[in-house]
Amino acid sequence: DVKVTQSSRYLVKRTGEKVFLECVQDMDHENMFWYRQDPGLGLRLIYFSYDVKMKEKGDIPEGYSVSREKKERFSLILESASTNQTSMYLCASSLGQAPDTQYFGPGTRLTVL
Amino acid sequence: DQQVKQNSPSLSVQEGRISILNCDYTNSMFDYFLWYKKYPAEGPTFLISISSIKDKNEDGRFTVFLNKSAKHLSLHIVPSQPGDSAVYFCAAWGGSYQLIWGAGTKLIIKP
Repeated sequence: DVKVTQSSRYLVKRTGEKVFLECVQDMDHENMFWYRQDPGLGLRLIYFSYDVKMKEKGDIPEGYSVSREKKERFSLILESASTNQTSMYLCASSLGQAPDTQYFGPGTRLTVL
Repeated sequence: DQQVKQNSPSLSVQEGRISILNCDYTNSMFDYFLWYKKYPAEGPTFLISISSIKDKNEDGRFTVFLNKSAKHLSLHIVPSQPGDSAVYFCAAWGGSYQLIWGAGTKLIIKP
């Protein structure tokens, strides 16, 4: 079974803090993704990576950056957290072969005060 | 513009009856569709998928139907059970890295 783990289930941070969200997958998947989920808006893609050190912007990259130094690990960074970044953050990975099914971690509920 | 639409934000169904969740898409280049199920405070889990070369795929209580001419797919759950209460997301794949997601439908199964 594919396992995708995220470093924290719940996180509370203050406005202006730098926040790191870590994601690890154990299935040697090529692709990794960061989404945020907000009620009524579905899943919105922040960034994705199709290889080590490679990254592509998704639909809402503003205020975020990512890092993929190792194949199994994909980090999401909030450079200066703001209250509108309070959300559920979901990491996913996929094999990178057509058709492509994504497998998700449990999510991190981030609250920015 | 949303390429994948789930027009019903919520759906309430009696336990034991059929649940039908709908999804519409606009891009005829999509050739693979997926349904995911999400419980609160958990990540989405893959449920069932269908290729555009098929019009039906069945897995136990779950069946997905695809109508390419109408650009419409539906997920049928029969019989509905309390554990099926969750948010269901429809997603489409068109050959790139990304899945295109609908906004989700919250399914409530009433006892």
